[in-house]
This record gives sequence, structure tokens and C-alpha cells, in this order.
Amino acid sequence: DSGVTQTPKHLITATGQRVTLRCSPRSGDLSVYWYQQSLDQGLQFLIQYYNGEERAKGNILERFSAQQFPDLHSELNLSSLELGDSALYFCASSVVGVMDTQYFGPGTRLTVL
Amino acid sequence: DQQVKQNSPSLSVQEGRISILNCDYTNSMFDYFLWYKKYPAEGPTFLISISSIKDKNEDGRFTVFLNKSAKHLSLHIVPSQPGDSAVYFCAASASSSNTGKLIFGQGTTLQVKP
Repeated sequence: DSGVTQTPKHLITATGQRVTLRCSPRSGDLSVYWYQQSLDQGLQFLIQYYNGEERAKGNILERFSAQQFPDLHSELNLSSLELGDSALYFCASSVVGVMDTQYFGPGTRLTVL
Repeated sequence: DQQVKQNSPSLSVQEGRISILNCDYTNSMFDYFLWYKKYPAEGPTFLISISSIKDKNEDGRFTVFLNKSAKHLSLHIVPSQPGDSAVYFCAASASSSNTGKLIFGQGTTLQVKP
């Protein structure tokens, strides 16, 4: 158990819908990351937050947004869902957000029908 | 552009022998490297890391070697155990970006046979 929690574990929804994925980092970690793993792609970095502020953005679609709240938990919002958004979404956390170990949560499996 | 490459999709090793997993990178700004192990439908589990100021780091059965001139790192597992069977990912980051953004390789599936 990494100490990072993610909910829900599974999510099935239809095209065009909007969903919210939630992540609670390990106690003491200030940085939260979101990654996407789809079948034909490896783990792709989406976005990083540090202590409530956005620190880095990867290839995150405009239909996707995220935020980190004062209690340090984070949410990833996916809207206007398409079939191709079906993937595993992982959250990770680390202490300082640069050159430190990222610990991953168990992931949310999103299926868009 | 694949900045981190794991050229062997799979590796099969006998229990008790050494497993060597390889990873190459192209971005010379990468200075922090990690190895993760992943089971299906689970999140990646951190194994070991190395920064570019070192060329070797050990933790129990796991050793990571870094060859900066060749832009190559490897993970050695000795002795290999059946429970080590999983997908192994190497990942890299650049401290100059002031972010923790990790670039992952495509993974190598390790099978350890009893």
C-alpha cells in the first residue's frame, strides 16, 4: 500500500459525459501528479500540482482539467468524453515535487462506451 | 519522440538467476531515474532510483547502474524470484525543469520461471 488513495476504482460512462476522479496523496506529500495509461501508450504525464499551484503540464487535453485543494487532495475532471479517453488514470504524490520519489495510487479504470 | 526506451518488450529468466533490464534515454537533461514494477490493474510500485551524480545504487536484491556517457541504465535483480514476475518501467526526469514530470519507457515484462 503506497498510501495514495484514488476513487473510484472503476468508472463506466457514455460518450459526451463528464466525470471526476479523486486522489488523496500520502500524508506529508505536497505534490500530486496525474498520469494516463492507455492500451497503445505507456504511462503519459498529464499534470502536476505543488501545494495547490499548477507546476507542470504534459499532453493534457483541453477537455481535461485538474486542481489541488487546500487539504492537498486533487481532482481530475474529464469532460466531453470520447471513446479514446478509456484508460487507466493514476495519481502519484511526492514530498517536494522535484527529483524525489513518486508513489502511485491504485488507479481509476475509466471505460467510455 | 520516445525519450526513454526499453527495447526489450519481454524477458524470461530462471528462478535464482540474474535478471537484467535495460533502458536508454536520449535527453541529456535527464538527471534522475527511477524503476517501477507494475502488476496488471495495479499502480506502479517504486523499486529504486538513482541520480546522475552516482553510477550505481543498491537496495537489497535490486541494483541500478547508470552510464551517463551512453545514456543507458540497467536494473539488476539478483537472485530472481517468481514473485518478481511483472512489468518493469524505467522513468526519467530533469531537475532543470523544476518539475517532477516523469517520462516513462514502454515497459519490459519479466517472467521468472520456477
